[in-house]
Amino acid sequence: QKEVEQNSGPLSVPEGAIASLNCTYSDRGSQSFFWYRQYSGKSPELIMSIYSNGDKEDGRFTAQLNKASQYVSLLIRDSQPSDSATYLCAVPPLNTGNQFYFGTGTSLTVIP
Amino acid sequence: SAVISQKPSRDICQRGTSLTIQCQVDSQVTMMFWYRQQPGQSLTLIATANQGSEATYESGFVIDKFPISRPNLTFSTLTVSNMSPEDSSIYLCSVGQAGDEQYFGPGTRLTVT
Repeated sequence: QKEVEQNSGPLSVPEGAIASLNCTYSDRGSQSFFWYRQYSGKSPELIMSIYSNGDKEDGRFTAQLNKASQYVSLLIRDSQPSDSATYLCAVPPLNTGNQFYFGTGTSLTVIP
Repeated sequence: SAVISQKPSRDICQRGTSLTIQCQVDSQVTMMFWYRQQPGQSLTLIATANQGSEATYESGFVIDKFPISRPNLTFSTLTVSNMSPEDSSIYLCSVGQAGDEQYFGPGTRLTVT
């Protein structure tokens, strides 16, 4: 089992729809969870951090965390073509130094 | 968040040669990290650059192949030594706290022929 797994996609949604991106992780002790957005040819950009169970909203983005199920998701409301990118889930495991496990990413395309 | 720059932004190198990548941050940071992102893959941590001491390497990465310097709290270099085509990748530096938010530089796209 990989440390962090994401639905591989690619995911296509029409403009204005909700895009749902999912991530599961293996280390039950993990305490922090991150979503990065990576445009083609660019470096990853941090868009959301979540540390507690439940929902965290920031503009059109909502991160959802369920530690019992070892599951974290990212919802993008009112999706825009500019949201088309690869989204990476990142989970630092507990007690393994500086390691920062990234998922393989989900490619999202928002169709105008 | 800190502003991070990397040099060069891209390079094409011949096998057997070495390339040194620079990472500069506009403020002092405790922790700097070096990652590799191979084509179509996710990010893999190479090492943590420690100021005043040797870098801490992750499994599968060794100092002879990827020597790292960290002379102060705003600068680090990663050298890719004795390159082969398998080293073709994007190399990224990041800053942040262990186990917490990390911010990435723009990356260096390396092609080895």
